[in-house]
Amino acid sequence: EDKVVQSPLSLVVHEGDTVTLNCSYEVTNFRSLLWYKQEKKAPTFLFMLTSSGIEKKSGRLSSILDKKELFSILNITATQTGDSAVYLCAVGVETSGSRLTFGEGTQLTVNP
Amino acid sequence: NAGVMQNPRHLVRRRGQEARLRCSPMKGHSHVYWYRQLPEEGLKFMVYLQKENIIDESGMPKERFSAEFPKEGPSILRIQQVVRGDSAAYFCASSLPGQAGVRDEKLFFGSGTQLSVL
Repeated sequence: EDKVVQSPLSLVVHEGDTVTLNCSYEVTNFRSLLWYKQEKKAPTFLFMLTSSGIEKKSGRLSSILDKKELFSILNITATQTGDSAVYLCAVGVETSGSRLTFGEGTQLTVNP
Repeated sequence: NAGVMQNPRHLVRRRGQEARLRCSPMKGHSHVYWYRQLPEEGLKFMVYLQKENIIDESGMPKERFSAEFPKEGPSILRIQQVVRGDSAAYFCASSLPGQAGVRDEKLFFGSGTQLSVL
């Protein structure tokens, strides 16, 4: 059975701190790894990674994938209170359609 | 360009009643996915549909649950004879069909329907 594990499950930091969120996976026929941010409603897309070692960057957020060690990290620098959310990691596999297997998420709280 | 639209946002049902959840994908998207999120858990895949076809329903419970995506109109997730354990947030997502045979895995999610069974 495909498995995605995120750590830590929750994290509390102060504004300005840098955080690293982890995602490890065990899946058959890996195709891609995606990060989503979920506030109170719809998960919103952050990154999709398919190749090892290539960093994706968007403002203060960045992510990288290691296909040999089967994990990814999401970094957020200079955190702001608006970064408070659940960050979801998901893996896509080579099956029909775009079914994603999600981890449980990391609840990030950024205090002022 | 409107995003994925789900309704209702909140649905309250008594045990034994039926629940119908609706999802309209983003414009131009022909692939629809339903996911369920229980409290303190991640999103769990339920079903993947294209217009008039169920492509993958491996995550759907074998009984009481069904889904459709008709040629016209929204996708419907139907839960018959609801039980308390069905209480969850149900998210719909859509994606583009992809190009040159490569599937597009970037899913766009709706805001979800929170189902509460009393």
